Amino acid sequence: SQQGEEDPQALSIQEGENATMNCSYKTSINNLQWYRQNSGRGLVHLILIRSNEREKHSGRLRVTLDTSKKSSSLLITASRAADTASYFCATVTGGGNKLTFGTGTQLKVEL
Amino acid sequence: SQTIHQWPATLVQPVGSPLSLECTVEGTSNPNLYWYRQAAGRGLQLLFYSVGIGQISSEVPQNLSASRPQDRQFILSSKKLLLSDSGFYLCAWSQDSGNTIYFGEGSWLTVV
Repeated sequence: SQQGEEDPQALSIQEGENATMNCSYKTSINNLQWYRQNSGRGLVHLILIRSNEREKHSGRLRVTLDTSKKSSSLLITASRAADTASYFCATVTGGGNKLTFGTGTQLKVEL
Repeated sequence: SQTIHQWPATLVQPVGSPLSLECTVEGTSNPNLYWYRQAAGRGLQLLFYSVGIGQISSEVPQNLSASRPQDRQFILSSKKLLLSDSGFYLCAWSQDSGNTIYFGEGSWLTVV
C-alpha cells in the first residue's frame, strides 16, 4: 500500500516560476525523502529530512515537514526546463528497512 | 565511490518463460538491497528487500522471487512470467536502514 500521496498529480509551469509539491503520509515516520525520476530512468535522491527537523534547503530546493499534519512540501525555486521530471516522496517507518514511495507528481517546466 | 549496476536494461519475454534480473553493488559492504517495481505512470512498489546474504523479505505475494547469493548481488527471478509482470524494475541499495536509497537505472520488462 502507498504510504505517501503527492499532490498535485501533475503540475505545469513556466520557466522561472516556483514549483510546489505536497506529500501526505499516514503513519509516524523516522524520516521523509524526496526523489526525482526522469522519464524511463532510475530515481535520484534529492533531500532527506528527519522527523525532528522542520525545514531543509539544498540549492534551489526547500523541503518542509509538519509531523502534526503528517505532510511535507517540496519547493523548487526559479524552475528550469531541466527540472521536468516526476518527483516522489518516500517515508521510512519503524525498523527503517523499508522506504515506501508515494504516487508522484509529474512536473513539466515549459520554456 | 559506490556504484550500482542492473541488467538487462530491456527485456521482452513470452508468457510462461523464466526471468532473471541481476543487480550488483560496488564500493560498499553489507548493503541493504531492494527490488522495486513501477507500473506505467505509477509509484514504486517494494517487492523484496534484503539486509544480508540469504535474508530476503517479501512485501507482496506474487509470481516473483529474489535471492542474494553474495553480499553485493541481488537477483530477481520468476519461473513462469505472467502478462501482469510487465513493468519497470528497479534495484536499489542503502548503507544503513533508514538512510538514502540509491537506485540503478532500471530494467524494462515486457511480457508478451
